Amino acid sequence: DQQVKQNSPSLSVQEGRISILNCDYTNSMFDYFLWYKKYPAEGPTFLISISSIKDKNEDGRFTVFLNKSAKHLSLHIVPSQPGDSAVYFCAAWGHGNQFYFGTGTSLTVIP
Amino acid sequence: DGGITQSPKYLFRKEGQNVTLSCEQNLNHDAMYWYRQDPGQGLRLIYYSQIVNDFQKGDIAEGYSVSREKKESFPLTVTSAQKNPTAFYLCASSIGGTTNEKLFFGSGTQLSVL
Repeated sequence: DQQVKQNSPSLSVQEGRISILNCDYTNSMFDYFLWYKKYPAEGPTFLISISSIKDKNEDGRFTVFLNKSAKHLSLHIVPSQPGDSAVYFCAAWGHGNQFYFGTGTSLTVIP
Repeated sequence: DGGITQSPKYLFRKEGQNVTLSCEQNLNHDAMYWYRQDPGQGLRLIYYSQIVNDFQKGDIAEGYSVSREKKESFPLTVTSAQKNPTAFYLCASSIGGTTNEKLFFGSGTQLSVL
């Protein structure tokens, strides 16, 4: 049973506009949420994280929002750049000291 | 320069053969993990180890084996019992024992069946 879900397999955005990537989870006991960025044939790299006690965390062009009541988090990228084109994975930590990953969203930023 | 090194980058397995994927880290992390990625799918946990000489099965451990004899090393063996081994394999590590763990990944090994 998938505990972390990314329901949009792909997203296309014009350069300079906002990219919004969504993630839903089912386990309210998760402590910590992370976003990873992955290029083909490479390992994922850490992008940004948020603790379950916060509702927003910002780092430059990247902002993660957490809505605990809806068990939903989102990653906002503003402004989007062509180099942001990659697969983005949402992950949750906790519940047995494991990471749980979503299936990923492939973002394409069109110049 | 600290990081995680996976080798080889590409590996081919003949039917009935066991192959071993190497993973070494110099981050002084206690916890290490092996994930498998198939096209269009997320990362699925094969095995993880939170401390030397101890490891646990993940969601898809069948057909795989690991060892953790040293803190720096966590090799994964894909045995002949794994009937569908073609995938991209990722090794990762984390500090271990904290409430806000963060995974650091290697660059991956692409395993294909001849």
